[in-house]
Amino acid sequence: GENVEQHPSTLSVQEGDSAVIKCTYSDSASNYFPWYKQELGKRPQLIIDIRSNVGEKKDQRIAVTLNKTAKHFSLHITETQPEDSAVYFCAASVGSARQLTFGSGTQLTVLP
Amino acid sequence: DAGVIQSPRHEVTEMGQEVTLRCKPISGHNSLFWYRQTMMRGLELLIYFNNNVPIDDSGMPEDRFSAKMPNASFSTLKIQPSEPRDSAVYFCASRSPGTRISSYNEQFFGPGTRLTVL
Repeated sequence: GENVEQHPSTLSVQEGDSAVIKCTYSDSASNYFPWYKQELGKRPQLIIDIRSNVGEKKDQRIAVTLNKTAKHFSLHITETQPEDSAVYFCAASVGSARQLTFGSGTQLTVLP
Repeated sequence: DAGVIQSPRHEVTEMGQEVTLRCKPISGHNSLFWYRQTMMRGLELLIYFNNNVPIDDSGMPEDRFSAKMPNASFSTLKIQPSEPRDSAVYFCASRSPGTRISSYNEQFFGPGTRLTVL
């Protein structure tokens, strides 16, 4: 089955700096890669996703890049703010199977 | 839309007791997922249903766990008998058949049930 690895497990940045979280996947058939944000005590919520037919997608301060050849994808957050502090999960999905395999999560702390 | 609804939000029980977690997916969604989240193991998919039919239950830890979806608006996850190692947050998520490419696979999570087995 699919295996998703996520790094780093913890990340601290100064407010205003950029943060990058990286994930690799094992199944070359995976074609959908969402990122979820989970604040303390809350549910995971989708913040951005990318499909395998594009290499990059951006939404305001967040962007995701995908390298299908290397089977890795990354989340980039620019101009970080304290409210960006949360656990971020990457995931991968194989088409019609419709189930997500999640990475282990990254605890992002933005220091004011 | 009220989103995915889960009950109870918190459950404290003693080892050996039966526990039933409940989920109401978003109306119109035809896929439903049960996850377990712990510090040690992260987010694990336990089972998922498509059109009320269980598709993959390979994530169910053992026979003590069972899940049902009797209709499109209700699902249960049962643990019998419960053990302390079952303590976790259990999330239910649902997904629509997809009408827009960008949201085709998005899963919407419920608030979770925090289960503590003493």
